[in-house]
Amino acid sequence: QVQLVESGGGVVQPGRSLRLSCAASGFTFSSYGMHWVRQAPGKGLEWVAVIWYDGSNKYYADSVKGRFTISRDNSKNTLYLQMNSLRAEDTAVYYCARGGQLVQNWGQGTLVTVSS
Amino acid sequence: QLVLTQSPSASASLGASVKLTCTLSSGHSSYAIAWHQQQPEKGPRYLMKLNSDGSHSKGDGIPDRFSGSSSGAERYLTISSLQSEDEADYYCQTWGTGSYVVFGGGTKLTVL
Repeated sequence: QVQLVESGGGVVQPGRSLRLSCAASGFTFSSYGMHWVRQAPGKGLEWVAVIWYDGSNKYYADSVKGRFTISRDNSKNTLYLQMNSLRAEDTAVYYCARGGQLVQNWGQGTLVTVSS
Repeated sequence: QLVLTQSPSASASLGASVKLTCTLSSGHSSYAIAWHQQQPEKGPRYLMKLNSDGSHSKGDGIPDRFSGSSSGAERYLTISSLQSEDEADYYCQTWGTGSYVVFGGGTKLTVL
């Protein structure tokens, strides 16, 4: 079955960087678009970024544009999110998700806390 | 601008049915959406894709108690024979050029 396992979360100071990873299994990773979605404590879901199945297109939410970069390695079945210039408002659980226009599978999430 | 609007909360009794609503913003009434469920302290789970004509396709293992329907710009999720584990947050989601992925604000369902 589809499995998405995020890692790389933790506590980081404002202005610093962090890279999240998502290991995918149970499906042909190279055939699917992939997303990062986040959820701040007590809040709703916020889409962060999407990458096409072949990495040819990437789109970002305005709140992270210019600071975050989504990428993938289809040879390793892994999705990444490079987060730079982190702010307190980036504190959230970050979910990896499979899908094109509509998200159809979710990981369990990894918590990122931005605090001094 | 593509926006999905959901009521913040809903409630229904154990064993009863409930219908949750997601409303697409003006000019986007033909869009398909997805419904997602998030139980307390868990990650979201995909429930179904719902088209503008009311046809829907559910995710793996989603019980028959969950169904979808559409009317104009409204997209509905109906849960029948409510069980305690249905108490959760429910989100609708769609996609638009320029807006890319959009989520509704979510509806918190309480099972009484």
